Amino acid sequence: EAQVTQNPRYLITVTGKKLTVTCSQNMNHEYMSWYRQDPGLGLRQIYYSMNVEVTDKGDVPEGYKVSRKEKRNFPLILESPSPNQTSLYFCASSSLGRSYEQYFGPGTRLTVT
Amino acid sequence: GDSVTQMEGPVTLSEEAFLTINCTYTATGYPSLFWYVQYPGEGLQLLLKATKADDKGSNKGFEATYRKETTSFHLEKGSVQVSDSAVYFCALSENTGNQFYFGTGTSLTVIP
Repeated sequence: EAQVTQNPRYLITVTGKKLTVTCSQNMNHEYMSWYRQDPGLGLRQIYYSMNVEVTDKGDVPEGYKVSRKEKRNFPLILESPSPNQTSLYFCASSSLGRSYEQYFGPGTRLTVT
Repeated sequence: GDSVTQMEGPVTLSEEAFLTINCTYTATGYPSLFWYVQYPGEGLQLLLKATKADDKGSNKGFEATYRKETTSFHLEKGSVQVSDSAVYFCALSENTGNQFYFGTGTSLTVIP
């Protein structure tokens, strides 16, 4: 089954404790992206990647890092999480050239206390 | 910069009512426009798209027309069903297709 998976689905952590949210897709997609969803703000793009070792900033990259060492994986790293990073995070992927047809993962709800 | 503005919700309709969700955009170039739908507890799914002016996207009875003169992409459906209850997001992507901008989402509840 074609899908985008994220782990964990739910995470409660404390300020400053480094964490990684994993994202994996099994559709051989070149393009992958991370978004955060906040009430009243919709989805905002954090980072995206056009292919292995190619990443770029989206609209709200501050406080986040990403890496793309393998085509199928695109982890989101919070080196020192803060309460304002409490949010619902979505990973998405698509074929290059058809990047509008994004397939979204189920989401990761992160709470930073 | 690029942005998308969509009508505030929530919207509550009776089954078989007509639906319109307004969406307007600001873009520096010639963007592609999309509507995504998010069902409770799930990620977003592409509902329909239009890639150039005057294109009409359609899917599952929903339609939206790319209006360059009014910078709009309003979503419409002639007769909504309870199963259409979800959050609807308008979005745009410039021609490079790399960066996406989403609206704030409009929650729709359809009651029997």
